[in-house]
Amino acid sequence: QVRLAESGGGLVKPGGSLKLSCAVSGLNFGDSYMSWIRQAPGKGLEWVSYISPSGRSGSTLYYADSVKGRFTISRDNAKKSLYLQMNSLRVEDTAVYYCARGHYELGYWGQGTLVTVSS
Amino acid sequence: EIVLTQSPGTLSLSPGERATLSCRASQSVSSNYLAWYQQKPGQAPRLLIYGASNRATGIPDRFSGSGSGTDFTLTISRLEPEDFAVYYCQQYATSPRTFGQGTKVEIK
Repeated sequence: QVRLAESGGGLVKPGGSLKLSCAVSGLNFGDSYMSWIRQAPGKGLEWVSYISPSGRSGSTLYYADSVKGRFTISRDNAKKSLYLQMNSLRVEDTAVYYCARGHYELGYWGQGTLVTVSS
Repeated sequence: EIVLTQSPGTLSLSPGERATLSCRASQSVSSNYLAWYQQKPGQAPRLLIYGASNRATGIPDRFSGSGSGTDFTLTISRLEPEDFAVYYCQQYATSPRTFGQGTKVEIK
């Protein structure tokens, strides 16, 4: 059974940092593209970032313009885990953050973790 | 960036009725790289359709997708009580990947 479980969300002040984790089981994590998608309260979905499987020259990374230079996606294949380091957080980053498998259609999603940026 | 516009914003229907949801792209979505998701309150989205017309694993055949280029449609042939939810389209032909703003299917 495939399972993705996010953790690390919480309340943080503007300008602060937070690191999200996503533990994956039941699928071939090492061969999978992985993504982060967020959803602001009562709003639609926004693709934040994705990372390719690790290759000889590293992984291919993508970031939405809204987070470029502030967020860093990474993975640990040995731990079957995906991460999102979020720095210089803004009020508008407040959202539920989902990890998902893929970078085309997203077939598996976690339950999400809420990040609230507020003073 | 490909902008996806979904219509209508809200669809009020009764169980057993047919639902037709539209997703229009600002430019052609190559290779029909378009997906549809269902989201219920407090839950993560669930993949329904990929490649514009392919049902994901375990999705009932009352859900069907069609279209190409800039115009895509999700059809639910006969609404079941569990189908009342918000539906999103998403394109993965180009970066940034983008989602439509969603269509809410509510009970009339």
